[in-house]
Amino acid sequence: SSELTQDPAVSVALGQTVRITCQGDSLRSYYASWYQQKPGQAPVLVIYGKNNRPSGIPDRFSGSSSGNTASLTITGAQAEDEADYYCNSRDSSGTGVFGGGTKLTVL
Amino acid sequence: QVQLQESGPGLVKPSQTLSLTCTVSGGSISSGGYYWSWIRQHPGKGLEWIGYIYYSGSTYYNPSLKSRVTISVDTSKNQFSLKLSSVTAADTAVYYCARGAGSSWYSPDYWGQGTLVTVSS
Repeated sequence: SSELTQDPAVSVALGQTVRITCQGDSLRSYYASWYQQKPGQAPVLVIYGKNNRPSGIPDRFSGSSSGNTASLTITGAQAEDEADYYCNSRDSSGTGVFGGGTKLTVL
Repeated sequence: QVQLQESGPGLVKPSQTLSLTCTVSGGSISSGGYYWSWIRQHPGKGLEWIGYIYYSGSTYYNPSLKSRVTISVDTSKNQFSLKLSSVTAADTAVYYCARGAGSSWYSPDYWGQGTLVTVSS
C-alpha cells in the first residue's frame, strides 16, 4: 500500500513532549520525512532521512522509525509549534506520498 | 538561498488545461542533483504529489494523474512548468513547486509559496 496514516489531531501542554505518528507499509523500506505547515503558508521540512534536521530547525524536533511506523517527537513543545504536521515518504513504484496530516494544538 | 515562485492563471475553466510555471532563483536547475516537483493541496486537505522533472528532462508522474500531466523544463530560463489537462472542479487546489535533492527527491527541502488555482466556469 502507498498510504500513510496519521491521527487527525493531537494536543500537548506547553513545554511538554508530544509524539506524532505515521503508519504505512512503505515505511518498512523508506525513511519518512516530516513537514510543518502553518495556515496560509507552504510546508516546511523539519525532519528528513534517518533523523536529520535542516538548517534552522530547532533541536526539539526529532524523528524515529520502527517497522511500519515513523514518529516525530517534539520535546518541550512551544506555542509556535502549533501547526499541521505531515509525514512523507515514497512508495515502491516511485511515487511520493504524504500522510493525511495531524493538527497539533499546544495548550 | 534557493527560491521558487509559481506563476500562472488563478482561474481555469472546466475541461481546459491548467498551466503553471515555476521560476527558480538562487540556484541553477542545470546544476544537476535535484528533482523539481509539483505538489498540490486541495482546500483544507492534505498534500498530493503530482510529479517531478530532472534537468535532463526525465520525468516521473503520480500514476493517478499521469494521463493528464506534463512537466517540462526550460533550463535557459531556469524554469519548469506544469500542464494539467481536462481539469474539473476536483483540480481546484493550491499548487506548489518544490525542489528535492538526490535520494530524498520525494522530500522537497525548498518550496514556493504556492498559488491557488480555481476551476470554475
